[in-house]
Amino acid sequence: AQSVTQLGSHVSVSEGALVLLRCNYSSSVPPYLFWYVQYPNQGLQLLLKYTSAATLVKGINGFEAEFKKSETSFHLTKPSAHMSDAAEYFCAVSDGTGRRALTFGSGTRLQVQP
Amino acid sequence: GAGVSQSPRYKVAKRGQDVALRCDPISGHVSLFWYQQALGQGPEFLTYFQNEAQLDKSGLPSDRFFAERPEGSVSTLKIQRTQQEDSAVYLCASSTDRVGYNEQFFGPGTRLTVL
Repeated sequence: AQSVTQLGSHVSVSEGALVLLRCNYSSSVPPYLFWYVQYPNQGLQLLLKYTSAATLVKGINGFEAEFKKSETSFHLTKPSAHMSDAAEYFCAVSDGTGRRALTFGSGTRLQVQP
Repeated sequence: GAGVSQSPRYKVAKRGQDVALRCDPISGHVSLFWYQQALGQGPEFLTYFQNEAQLDKSGLPSDRFFAERPEGSVSTLKIQRTQQEDSAVYLCASSTDRVGYNEQFFGPGTRLTVL
């Protein structure tokens, strides 16, 4: 069975500050990991994905995440927050082979203060 | 179309009514998924199709929920005798069938409110 834990349901940062959103996973097989962003009344948009290639993954809008197997983590970072980054962020895991469904965390709402 | 589309975007139903939610996946995408997203929560898997075959329906919460994809393209999620706990956003996603990749593209969702 797979599961995802996102620590912190709400994160608030100042514009220009570092963004760090935490994600820990559990999986019985090598996982595929994803970060999605959701703006109000919109669907989920893929930010980045880890599929067993480079452990440091770069995504859209300046986001990146590092896969750390020893820590079972896949934290999302961005060096400098922008007002437009305010949204809900979801970490998700899939085993990529048998069961195709994504298992999502409960989400982290990012607020960016001016 | 360029992306996954869903209709209606909003649906209000009285308790006990039946509803049907439609999903148009990205053209050529073999796999189609339905998720349920309750308020303040992450999406939860409902069911998965590969072409017209429903390969996984382990997430459907009750036998009131039924999904179909008869021609391997458009899919419909039907909820019979709706209950207040069915109120949620229903998301549809599609993907190619590349084993081990599984990037899913999501539609905007249908927000269902059961009164």
